[in-house]
Amino acid sequence: EAQVTQNPRYLITVTGKKLTVTCSQNMNHEYMSWYRQDPGLGLRQIYYSMNVEVTDKGDVPEGYKVSRKEKRNFPLILESPSPNQTSLYFCASMISGGDYEQYFGPGTRLTVT
Amino acid sequence: QQPVQSPQAVILREGEDAVINCSSSKALYSVHWYRQKHGEAPVFLMILLKGGEQKGHEKISASFNEKKQQSSLYLTASQLSYSGTYFCGTEIPDTGNQFYFGTGTSLTVIP
Repeated sequence: EAQVTQNPRYLITVTGKKLTVTCSQNMNHEYMSWYRQDPGLGLRQIYYSMNVEVTDKGDVPEGYKVSRKEKRNFPLILESPSPNQTSLYFCASMISGGDYEQYFGPGTRLTVT
Repeated sequence: QQPVQSPQAVILREGEDAVINCSSSKALYSVHWYRQKHGEAPVFLMILLKGGEQKGHEKISASFNEKKQQSSLYLTASQLSYSGTYFCGTEIPDTGNQFYFGTGTSLTVIP
């Protein structure tokens, strides 16, 4: 089954404690992306990757890091989380550029206290 | 850079029609439409690539204007299952491969 998986689904943490949200896809897609979703602001892109070892900033990259060492995995790293990073996070993938549909993971609800 | 969607929210009775608009100040490469149910991930509906294109089926369809700056999603004879938040999404020229979503339109269908 074609899918994007994310872990964990829910996470409550404290300010400053490093965390990683994993994302994996089994469709051999080149393009992977992270979004955060906040009420009234829609989905905003954090980082995206066009292929292995190629990553670029999206609209709201501050406070986040990513890496793309393998085609299937695209982890999101928060080195020092802060309360304003409390949000719902989605990983997504698509074949390549914007002419194809994006497949979304189930989401990770992060709370930083 | 974010596309502007209107209306922000709409409430319909079953069987009524709705139109959701997505506008940009710049021409777009393409327009995607997604629907998100509460607490779930967005789900792809359709993509339009060409100016003047219309796509979809009798119940849910979309258009992309000739200048590629506006798209509309048409929901006909709405059903309860249409409830959710609808997002348009796009890549904007000169911003690399960054992807932008609109702020969303909340659609509620009531019996």
